[in-house]
Amino acid sequence: DQQVKQNSPSLSVQEGRISILNCDYTNSMFDYFLWYKKYPAEGPTFLISISSIKDKNEDGRFTVFLNKSAKHLSLHIVPSQPGDSAVYFCAASKDSNYQLIWGAGTKLIIKP
Amino acid sequence: ETGVTQSPTHLIKTRGQQVTLRCSSQSGHNTVSWYQQALGQGPQFIFQYYREEENGRGNFPPRFSGLQFPNYSSELNVNALELDDSALYLCASSLVGGRTGELFFGEGSRLTVL
Repeated sequence: DQQVKQNSPSLSVQEGRISILNCDYTNSMFDYFLWYKKYPAEGPTFLISISSIKDKNEDGRFTVFLNKSAKHLSLHIVPSQPGDSAVYFCAASKDSNYQLIWGAGTKLIIKP
Repeated sequence: ETGVTQSPTHLIKTRGQQVTLRCSSQSGHNTVSWYQQALGQGPQFIFQYYREEENGRGNFPPRFSGLQFPNYSSELNVNALELDDSALYLCASSLVGGRTGELFFGEGSRLTVL
C-alpha cells in the first residue's frame, strides 16, 4: 500500500528552465509534507516543507504547491541549475511527527 | 557542529547471522530514527528513539531492535538476517521542537545479505 507516490522515476530539464516534480498521496490524514534531496553516497537532506493548512510555500528558487482536494503536491525549481541534479523524495507525516512516509523518488537531471 | 555519522559504511553478512549498525547523532539532537531503503525505493521507517525509549515503530518484525544511549548515539540490531534485509540503512537525528519533519541523515550503512 503505497501512500505516497512519485510516478516519474526520472526527469531531464535544460539548465535555466523550470523543473516540476510531482507527488501524489492517498491518506487524507497527512498534515505535513516535505521534499528531500539526495546526492549519490550521501544521506537525504531536507529541502522544503509545507503544512496542510497552506497551499504554497516558497524558499528561494524552490516552491512547493499543495492541492489537498487532488491529494497532490509539486516542487518547482526555477531556474534549474546543474547542482540541482539529484534524486528528490517526497515525504509526508501524520500528526506532525517524525515518522515520515516516503515516495520512491524522482531522479532530476539538469542538462547544460 | 558535527553531522550524523554511521558505521560501518558497507558490510556483508550471510543469512541467519546478526548485525549491529551504529549511529552518532548530530550534536544537540535528542531524537534518532532509523530507516531502511531498498534499491529503487524510498526510505521506510523502522523506529524512533527519544530519551533512550522507543517512540514509534514501523511495520518491521521484532528481530529489528534498537538502542539509544545517554549521549544520544544509537544502534540498530538485526537478528536472523534474511536476504530481503539487504538494503541501505539510514540513521537520522532530529530535535524535538525543531522544524517539523526535518531530519538530518547520515550517509547510511549498506548491508548485503548472502
